Order: sequence, then C-alpha cells, then structure tokens
Amino acid sequence: DIVMTQSPDSLAVSLGERATINCKSSQSVLYSSNNKNYLAWYQQKPGQPPKLLIYWASFRESGVPDRFSGSGSGTDFTLTISSLQAEDVAVYYCQQYYSTPYSFGQGTKLEIK
Amino acid sequence: QVQLLESGPGLVKPSQTLSLTCTVSGGSISSEGHYWSWIRQHPGKGLEWIGYIYYSGSTHYNPSLKSRVTISLDTSKSQFSLKLNSVTAADTAVYYCARDIPYSSAFDIWGQGTMVTVSS
Repeated sequence: DIVMTQSPDSLAVSLGERATINCKSSQSVLYSSNNKNYLAWYQQKPGQPPKLLIYWASFRESGVPDRFSGSGSGTDFTLTISSLQAEDVAVYYCQQYYSTPYSFGQGTKLEIK
Repeated sequence: QVQLLESGPGLVKPSQTLSLTCTVSGGSISSEGHYWSWIRQHPGKGLEWIGYIYYSGSTHYNPSLKSRVTISLDTSKSQFSLKLNSVTAADTAVYYCARDIPYSSAFDIWGQGTMVTVSS
C-alpha cells in the first residue's frame, strides 16, 4: 500500500502571504506510460465534504481560484496558495490514485496567523 | 449538475450490519468512465477509501475491510449501496459516497456525508 505523508500537520500564515503544504508518497505515483502523476489535493472545511482542488498533481479543478496551484512529480508534491484569503482556512489533504487501496495524507490544518 | 445523497441509519448496534445508500441525481450512474466510491472519515481524523463499483458491476475493495464489505448497484434507482458487516465502535465515522473524474480516481463529486455511530 502507498502511504501518503503530509507536512506540516498545521500551518499558520498571514493573510495575503503564501502557504505551502507538502505531500510525500512512499512510492512513486508517476505512471510512466502517460507521464501523469496520480495525485490529487482536497480542501475540507468543518462540516463539509472534501472539495477537489487539484488532480493529476497540477491540474486545477474548474472553479478553483488560480491562487491554488499544485506541483511536483514522482514522490514529492506541493500545494501552494499564493496569497492566503480568510476563506482558505481549512484542512488540506493529498490523495494518491495510482494504485488501490487509494490513500490520503493525514491532513494539514491551515489557519490565519 | 450531478449530486450525491447518502441515506441510512445513523445508529447501528455492534456486530450488526451497516447499510447505506447513495442516490445519484442530475446525471447517469451508468456513465462510462466513472467509478462510484465509498469513503469514510473517523471523527476528527483523516479519510479512508472503502471501495468502488463501476456501472458494469465490477467492484474493488480496500483489503483492510474487504472481508466485511459489499458494494452494490441498482441502476434502475440510480443508487449504489454499502454494506459493512460485523461492525464495531471502530466503524463509527462519517461515510461519504463520491464519484471520480473519468479515467482517474480523483473524486470530484461528493455527497454531504452521513454520520454512523456504532453503539449498543
């Protein structure tokens, strides 16, 4: 099974500043035949289901603000929020869908400093 | 716009079977390329993928739960269901149904989730 590990567990960033969340997989999630990374990012606010932000490691889901971006390849990935807004306070999860059982990171709680 | 809605008992006794249904509206459950999953979240914890079903009826389960899980499909009702037997307190969680983006398993549509408590 692929284990997903996020860092940090929590993060406090000032409004308008950059927030960076890291995700590491225990094995590569890059599929060589199509050169795609099978990695997604989600945002979850209290009492709500997760919301898909990024898939294929860097493709922004429709309607997601462009301040959210994903990068990385292989085993190391990053979610960046370029200019933190108050509504971005949430828990963020990465997920690999390279192989079953699909697995999620433990989550990173993002707060305002 | 596709929407998913979970339904089922909020309280299940230990050793009994947890049964939930996800109703799909605004789109076809038989759409090629979409897999329909169940995912759970223990209170205050992370997310655990339980398994999926395809419109053909093929299924795949998380090995950690495989011996206790069955996911089925009723295309006539546009529903898919989860059964988890021999439940314990460790199965207390919010259960979500979700749909993935075609030919990936990034989950773009989620139900609101339903809290299931296992307690006598």
